[in-house]
Amino acid sequence: KNQVEQSPQSLIILEGKNCTLQCNYTVSPFSNLRWYKQDTGRGPVSLTIMTFSENTKSNGRYTATLDADTKQSSLHITASQLSDSASYICVVIHSGGYQKVTFGTGTKLQVIP
Amino acid sequence: DVKVTQSSRYLVKRTGEKVFLECVQDMDHENMFWYRQDPGLGLRLIYFSYDVKMKEKGDIPEGYSVSREKKERFSLILESASTNQTSMYLCASRSPNQPQHFGDGTRLSIL
Repeated sequence: KNQVEQSPQSLIILEGKNCTLQCNYTVSPFSNLRWYKQDTGRGPVSLTIMTFSENTKSNGRYTATLDADTKQSSLHITASQLSDSASYICVVIHSGGYQKVTFGTGTKLQVIP
Repeated sequence: DVKVTQSSRYLVKRTGEKVFLECVQDMDHENMFWYRQDPGLGLRLIYFSYDVKMKEKGDIPEGYSVSREKKERFSLILESASTNQTSMYLCASRSPNQPQHFGDGTRLSIL
């Protein structure tokens, strides 16, 4: 069964600290993996896209890693800001055909002053 | 910037009513999607459309139908609303092989 599991479910960190969110998937065949940020009451917004051959990709203070062998990805947030408070969703896109998409259930991050 | 607009942010309807959720995108995207999002379950695909007048069932189509008469508009229809359809509904659009762009969602309550 194609699944995407994220950990932790929720996280509280102090402003300025770093954190790492995890994503494990069993999707096969795999095309690419995306991290989305969803602010409360808003739709998800794409942060990064990683293909099979990419190990690391950065978008400002966000750095995503991918290990296609172990089927694990992480999202590292550096020097967190209050505006980073949101849910972070890992999304895996299947290869072929209509590019089926499997969503993780998300990690809810709260950054406190 | 891509804009995906959902007609209502909040909607309250009664059991048995026919409910229409509208979604419009302004980037000429071929593909459009309807999801529902429930706590602890993530986003689940209801229906999608790869082009005008085309529709495909997603993972949870029961109790829903869709309409795509124009490329920019994708409508989700609850034929006879039930309380278990209370949820956040998200519309998305994309060009093939590109990331999805989401609307801000419609929080639907069925009483």
